[in-house]
Amino acid sequence: ELKVEQNPLFLSMQEGKNYTIYCNYSTTSDRLYWYRQDPGKSLESLFVLLSNGAVKQEGRLMASLDTKARLSTLHITAAVHDLSATYFCAVAFSGNAGNMLTFGGGTRLMVKP
Amino acid sequence: DGGITQSPKYLFRKEGQNVTLSCEQNLNHDAMYWYRQDPGQGLRLIYYSQIVNDFQKGDIAEGYSVSREKKESFPLTVTSAQKNPTAFYLCASSPLWMNTEAFFGQGTRLTVV
Repeated sequence: ELKVEQNPLFLSMQEGKNYTIYCNYSTTSDRLYWYRQDPGKSLESLFVLLSNGAVKQEGRLMASLDTKARLSTLHITAAVHDLSATYFCAVAFSGNAGNMLTFGGGTRLMVKP
Repeated sequence: DGGITQSPKYLFRKEGQNVTLSCEQNLNHDAMYWYRQDPGQGLRLIYYSQIVNDFQKGDIAEGYSVSREKKESFPLTVTSAQKNPTAFYLCASSPLWMNTEAFFGQGTRLTVV
């Protein structure tokens, strides 16, 4: 069974602090995606990770992929309130056609002033 | 502007009714997808289509039906057989080839009244 697990499910942190969200998946994957979702809104694409060792950074967010460990991380540096949202990882498993994705359960991030 | 348009944004359904959610894209993408999101959870795949007049069941297809008569359009019907249809529904599209990403519409929030 294809599984994608994120942890933590909920994260409350102070502004200025660092933290990491973890995404584990159960079988070989071609690609891994990170999305942001604000309440009641659609998904905003953050990162697309295509190979082992891939690292991408945008502002205070950095994502990495270790395909051997079947693990991706989303690292938050010096959090600010605007980063408060729910973050999802999604995996396109090898053999699946196109971009059919299996999503993790999400990490709800709350950054306190 | 290219994109994916879902309508309506909010939809109310009475018990026993069928309702249809619209999804249109002008990105010239071959593949289209429907996902369901329940509160506090990740997305789950309902149906997907890679080509006109063909579609495949996802993980939670029971109680739903789709059609793909045109490349641009992939409507989802929530039938009376779906016992718990209240959820946020997201449509996505993507090119067929690998290493690309899916683009999401703004979603339809369906509530049973």
